Amino acid sequence: RKEVEQDPGPFNVPEGATVAFNCTYSNSASQSFFWYRQDCRKEPKLLMSVYSSGNEDGRFTAQLNRASQYISLLIRDSKLSDSATYLCVVTLSGSARQLTFGSGTQLTVLP
Amino acid sequence: DVKVTQSSRYLVKRTGEKVFLECVQDMDHENMFWYRQDPGLGLRLIYFSYDVKMKEKGDIPEGYSVSREKKERFSLILESASTNQTSMYLCASSPIRANSYEQYFGPGTRLTVT
Repeated sequence: RKEVEQDPGPFNVPEGATVAFNCTYSNSASQSFFWYRQDCRKEPKLLMSVYSSGNEDGRFTAQLNRASQYISLLIRDSKLSDSATYLCVVTLSGSARQLTFGSGTQLTVLP
Repeated sequence: DVKVTQSSRYLVKRTGEKVFLECVQDMDHENMFWYRQDPGLGLRLIYFSYDVKMKEKGDIPEGYSVSREKKERFSLILESASTNQTSMYLCASSPIRANSYEQYFGPGTRLTVT
């Protein structure tokens, strides 16, 4: 079983739509959680951190459910520029500086 | 602005060749990482380094070695390239800072081994 699992998509949504991505992690001792964004043929970049209390940044909301070992990312009012692959990332207990990446969920926002 | 550069964007090598991939960061970061990224598998950690001359194996070190002689430079070496090492290779760096885990990535090197 993969340590971090994501639905690979692709998700094709119209502009203005709300879209949600989910991610599950297998190690209950995981410590920190993030969403990275990777544009086509580009490097990954940090989008936002994920906290148990939830984290909102403009149109983006990230949630963590430790009991279910589940992370989500909600994008409201999708823009064409949101088209990218979204990577779910966790750090494991005892290796705080190492990141474990999911394989990503591809999003295409259509005009 | 953090800058991580990699020596080549595209590289084609033959089976059995020795391959060097170079990575340089200009932010005085202590940590540096090498990943490979393959479709459906995501980013997998090959090696990382916490300091000059320090290195530790990641999840898939077989067939690779690394060198960190200077703080800003981290090299990945394929001693004898094989076709299953065809992949996108990404270098990253990060500072040692409490509660900070953001890694900054280079643009990647797409290596093809024929």
